[in-house]
Amino acid sequence: SQTIHQWPATLVQPVGSPLSLECTVEGTSNPNLYWYRQAAGRGLQLLFYSIGIDQISSEVPQNLSASRPQDRQFILSSKKLLLSDSGFYLCAWRSGPHTGELFFGEGSRLTVL
Amino acid sequence: GENVGLHLPTLSVQEGDNSIINCAYSNSASDYFIWYKQESGKGPQFIIDIRSNMDKRQGQRVTVLLNKTVKHLSLQIAATQPGDSAVYFCAETPSAGGTSYGKLTFGQGTILTVHP
Repeated sequence: SQTIHQWPATLVQPVGSPLSLECTVEGTSNPNLYWYRQAAGRGLQLLFYSIGIDQISSEVPQNLSASRPQDRQFILSSKKLLLSDSGFYLCAWRSGPHTGELFFGEGSRLTVL
Repeated sequence: GENVGLHLPTLSVQEGDNSIINCAYSNSASDYFIWYKQESGKGPQFIIDIRSNMDKRQGQRVTVLLNKTVKHLSLQIAATQPGDSAVYFCAETPSAGGTSYGKLTFGQGTILTVHP
């Protein structure tokens, strides 16, 4: 069966520090991968999606970047965090172009102080 | 946490009652809709989906209704249980596959609280 893992689950970082959140999917190949952010009391905002290795699309201009160095690995990064980067970051995958459902990871809570 | 209700609609029901959660969408090109349940501190979980060529779909204790004329989606939960307490999100995409690449647009969310 397919599983998705995110880490770290919780992170507290000072303003200006770098960020790396990692997501891996197991049990499937060539998944579409997504990073969403959820601010407190809000819905989910799509940040990045990827349809293959090194193929990244950004949905909103921001202080973050994403990379996909391997088929089932998706990384969210920042060189210098801002206070506004605080939130709940969710990685998701779907198995291919003919299915609509996204499967989400457990999330990574980032607090920037 | 992310489910603080300052901005989210809320619905409170008694255990055993039926719950109806509503969602309005704006994109008339949306072709595929999903309901997700999100418990505090966790990622969203798939509940049920529906394509635009249908107006009703039933699952176990849940029913999704789609009214394309008024761009309205609802989730009905029968015999609501305390374990159903969570934030419920509707999501839409222009198509289930193809060039939309599964980019879901999520609604604001509704907090459901079930009282024993």
